[in-house]
Amino acid sequence: AQKVTQAQTEISVVEKEDVTLDCVYETRDTTYYLFWYKQPPSGELVFLIRRNSFDEQNEISGRYSWNFQKSTSSFNFTITASQVVDSAVYFCALSEYSGGGADGLTFGKGTHLIIQP
Amino acid sequence: GAGVSQTPSNKVTEKGKYVELRCDPISGHTALYWYRQSLGQGPEFLIYFQGTGAADDSGLPNDRFFAVRPEGSVSTLKIQRTERGDSAVYLCASSSRGATRNEQFFGPGTRLTVL
Repeated sequence: AQKVTQAQTEISVVEKEDVTLDCVYETRDTTYYLFWYKQPPSGELVFLIRRNSFDEQNEISGRYSWNFQKSTSSFNFTITASQVVDSAVYFCALSEYSGGGADGLTFGKGTHLIIQP
Repeated sequence: GAGVSQTPSNKVTEKGKYVELRCDPISGHTALYWYRQSLGQGPEFLIYFQGTGAADDSGLPNDRFFAVRPEGSVSTLKIQRTERGDSAVYLCASSSRGATRNEQFFGPGTRLTVL
């Protein structure tokens, strides 16, 4: 069975600090996909990134970067120079490839990130 | 519409009643997903449609929950004999292909409260 663990329930930092959100996953499949979503106070989930299990290259998008390491089953997310607008709940999610198409996402419990001005 | 829409945004009902929650996906998206999010938790997968058929309903908690998508577009999640434990935000998402290949776009959710 697949599982996603986000051990950090809540993180609070001061604006402009860097912050890393941890994600550890479990799956028996060799082909799978990892995602990060942001859920701001308004409640709507916003897609941030998708990674497949064969692509371990780290990715950077502006102030956001992701570190995928299969050896430790981790897919961590770093925000550089954090801003108040980054305050939200961040979810890591996993989808196994069923071969016949898509599976639903398995989400972690989320990390509540608070950026203080 | 531009995004996934869900109606109603809020639903309050009494224990034992029947409720229907509606999802209107992004036009042209063939894949549609229902999730349930309880307070302080991540979304929990319920059911996935590819076109009109339910490709995976393994997440439905019991037979009080049922979903349909008769014309391959709008979907309705139906809950019979509601219980207080059904209170949660019900999220709908759609995707242009399988979720493993493309991102899922989420709607704003329907907050269900069972008194």
